[in-house]
Amino acid sequence: EAQVTQNPRYLITVTGKKLTVTCSQNMNHEYMSWYRQDPGLGLRQIYYSMNVEVTDKGDVPEGYKVSRKEKRNFPLILESPSPNQTSLYFCASSHGTPKETQYFGPGTRLLVL
Amino acid sequence: QKEVEQNSGPLSVPEGAIASLNCTYSDRGSQSFFWYRQYSGKSPELIMFIYSNGDKEDGRFTAQLNKASQYVSLLIRDSQPSDSATYLCAKAQDSNYQLIWGAGTKLIIKP
Repeated sequence: EAQVTQNPRYLITVTGKKLTVTCSQNMNHEYMSWYRQDPGLGLRQIYYSMNVEVTDKGDVPEGYKVSRKEKRNFPLILESPSPNQTSLYFCASSHGTPKETQYFGPGTRLLVL
Repeated sequence: QKEVEQNSGPLSVPEGAIASLNCTYSDRGSQSFFWYRQYSGKSPELIMFIYSNGDKEDGRFTAQLNKASQYVSLLIRDSQPSDSATYLCAKAQDSNYQLIWGAGTKLIIKP
């Protein structure tokens, strides 16, 4: 089954404790991205990647890191999480460019205390 | 001004009527526009995309693009309770590989 998977789905952590949210797709997509979704603000792009080893900042990259060492994986790293990073996070992928259909993962709900 | 603006709603429409969702954008250079639907607690899924001025129809859905006035709309004919969801408008930037999203409009179809 073609899909985007994210882990964990739910996470409660404390300020400053490094965490990684994994994202993996099995559709051989070149484009992958991370979003956060907050009430009233919609989806905001954190980082995106056009292909292996090619990443770029979105609109809200502060406090996040990403890497794209393999085509299928695009982990999101929070080196020192803060409460303002409490949010719902989505990973998405598509062929080629963002003009193609974006396939979203199920989301990761993060609470930073 | 946000790059993509939507009325947050909720927009309440009786079953069987036409639901009209609107989105305005600020960059005249934007070329590609998308409507995604997001059910509560679920991930967004693509409904339609539109690149050219005018109307594009797909079943009960019609997307309309007016580049001169910088708006995109989505019409849903014969609205069903299953259409109740948040509808997200997005535009693809031509200058980079970003997608810019509106905050979404919550649509409620009343039986």
